[in-house]
Amino acid sequence: DTEVTQTPKHLVMGMTNKKSLKCEQHMGHRAMYWYKQKAKKPPELMFVYSYEKLSINESVPSRFSPECPNSSLLNLHLHALQPEDSALYLCASSQGTVSPLHFGNGTRLTVT
Amino acid sequence: GIQVEQSPPDLILQEGANSTLRCNFSDSVNNLQWFHQNPWGQLINLFYIPSGTKQNGRLSATTVATERYSLLYISSSQTTDSGVYFCAPRGSGTYKYIFGTGTRLKVLA
Repeated sequence: DTEVTQTPKHLVMGMTNKKSLKCEQHMGHRAMYWYKQKAKKPPELMFVYSYEKLSINESVPSRFSPECPNSSLLNLHLHALQPEDSALYLCASSQGTVSPLHFGNGTRLTVT
Repeated sequence: GIQVEQSPPDLILQEGANSTLRCNFSDSVNNLQWFHQNPWGQLINLFYIPSGTKQNGRLSATTVATERYSLLYISSSQTTDSGVYFCAPRGSGTYKYIFGTGTRLKVLA
């Protein structure tokens, strides 16, 4: 699946940095998701936006701040991360609750 | 929330062999997807299969929602089938897809 685009592909940041991950889709999907995947583990849901409104926050620490500026874009703002936040961050979209997920290729984040 | 378990956790096959991967889930679901995650981390849609049986080339999947399981069949396996296979069911009326524990497959030439 390449219809969901994530940038950057790789990111290295220090614990005092502020950075953002970006996700874009042009399939007209109305739900967008952030998942976090640690090595050798399944993806874990972080946030879900439905019609540009945050509908699910899986008790994610406030150092992760999602934003959905419009129906095609999803950002994840990062601030004061810890080394244990190093992971693959995956964005996905779906038309609605009865539609399949489409994933981007992910951003591999390393926190030093 | 839904608990999702996959078996076996690890599988090594010789090229050309067939295999069956299983996904059990603890609650009723209204849809389910199977994904293949390649060594580069890309999650590739294999099937969207809330119920019944679907086939795509050497792969097929069956979901029996009333009995809370889904199966993924891989026939004539190839080295490019290596990677991790995840099932991800979603409950009724929710946007939450929950990923299973995964089956790590290695196909040897």
